[in-house]
Amino acid sequence: DSGVTQTPKHLITATGQRVTLRCSPRSGDLSVYWYQQSLDQGLQFLIQYYNGEERAKGNILERFSAQQFPDLHSELNLSSLELGDSALYFCASSRGDRANSPLHFGNGTRLTVT
Amino acid sequence: GNSVTQMEGPVTLSEEAFLTINCTYTATGYPSLFWYVQYPGEGLQLLLKATKADDKGSNKGFEATYRKETTSFHLEKGSVQVSDSAVYFCALTANTGGFKTIFGAGTRLFVKA
Repeated sequence: DSGVTQTPKHLITATGQRVTLRCSPRSGDLSVYWYQQSLDQGLQFLIQYYNGEERAKGNILERFSAQQFPDLHSELNLSSLELGDSALYFCASSRGDRANSPLHFGNGTRLTVT
Repeated sequence: GNSVTQMEGPVTLSEEAFLTINCTYTATGYPSLFWYVQYPGEGLQLLLKATKADDKGSNKGFEATYRKETTSFHLEKGSVQVSDSAVYFCALTANTGGFKTIFGAGTRLFVKA
């Protein structure tokens, strides 16, 4: 058990809709990361937060947004969904204040857009 | 910018064979290097890490040595088991105005009994 909790585990929705994915980081971790994993296994970095502030941005679409709340949990909002957004979305957490801190991953949310 | 390149898969081996998965990186400064493993239906989990040149990370029979001169961090195991079948990701974390982790594309390993 990594200590990172993601909800929901599965989400099925239609094109054009909006969904929210939630992540609770491991106790003591200040940094939260979001990744998208497509069927061909590639892991795309979306965005990182550290103690409530955006720290780094990757290939995140304008239709997607995220935030980290004062209690350090994070939400990833996906809007105007398209078929191509179907993927596994992972949240990870780390101390975030040093390079040698590994990431701890949740088990992901599988999003299916129909 | 920083990047990680690892060998394409899938890699198919027989049980007890020797495993090497190549990983090279490009980074400014002194990154930390990691190998993560993803078993079917699960998230990634840390396999091993090395934080400075010539460090060797090891875990569960897997090893990787941080080679600064060749900018490499190849994963090796002397005798693979069927239970090692998974996807393996090489990654680095560097301070680029914030600590950002970059992953390679992943290498799928199949081990046959």
